[in-house]
Amino acid sequence: AQSVTQPDIHITVSEGASLELRCNYSYGATPYLFWYVQSPGQGLQLLLKYFSGDTLVQGIKGFEAEFKRSQSSFNLRKPSVHWSDAAEYFCAVGASGGGADGLTFGKGTHLIIQP
Amino acid sequence: DSGVTQTPKHLITATGQRVTLRCSPRSGDLSVYWYQQSLDQGLQFLIHYYNGEERAKGNILERFSAQQFPDLHSELNLSSLELGDSALYFCASSVAPNSNYGYTFGSGTRLTVV
Repeated sequence: AQSVTQPDIHITVSEGASLELRCNYSYGATPYLFWYVQSPGQGLQLLLKYFSGDTLVQGIKGFEAEFKRSQSSFNLRKPSVHWSDAAEYFCAVGASGGGADGLTFGKGTHLIIQP
Repeated sequence: DSGVTQTPKHLITATGQRVTLRCSPRSGDLSVYWYQQSLDQGLQFLIHYYNGEERAKGNILERFSAQQFPDLHSELNLSSLELGDSALYFCASSVAPNSNYGYTFGSGTRLTVV
């Protein structure tokens, strides 16, 4: 069965600094991979997704992620964070069963932005 | 506003009771997925409906059930509630019955069982 590990429960970054959130997955085939963001009291918003092709994926809000098959990783990056980026970030791996099943999410990384 | 509407936003109820959570998908979307988010289990997929038919089941308890109506809104029914059922319940919708295309989440219903 597929699984997702986000090793960092909390990360604190200064405003304007670069950011990298780690994600490792376990999946039998070429995975579909996602990053979602959840602001307090809100639902999850899709930041970006990887299906195939270029391993560097661009998303919304200035985020990007790189798929590395050899490391089973899909880390999320942003060159310069803003205070509004403070939120919970979830990595997810795609569904089996032809896609009818739900996504498998990691436990999330809570991002704190220091002024 | 994501276009996916969940009601109510908050619900407080007692153990042993039954509640119904409602989800209206984004206009044009035929699939509805239900997820439970709790501190210990994280985000867990419960069930998926597409155009009125059940398409997939995840970690859904037998005390829980769902359905999707002809107007495509969906309801998640939780019965014989226990303290451990306290969680955020999200629905998400998509056009196609495939999670791998990505979907739009509602803002959730926070259920507190006391």
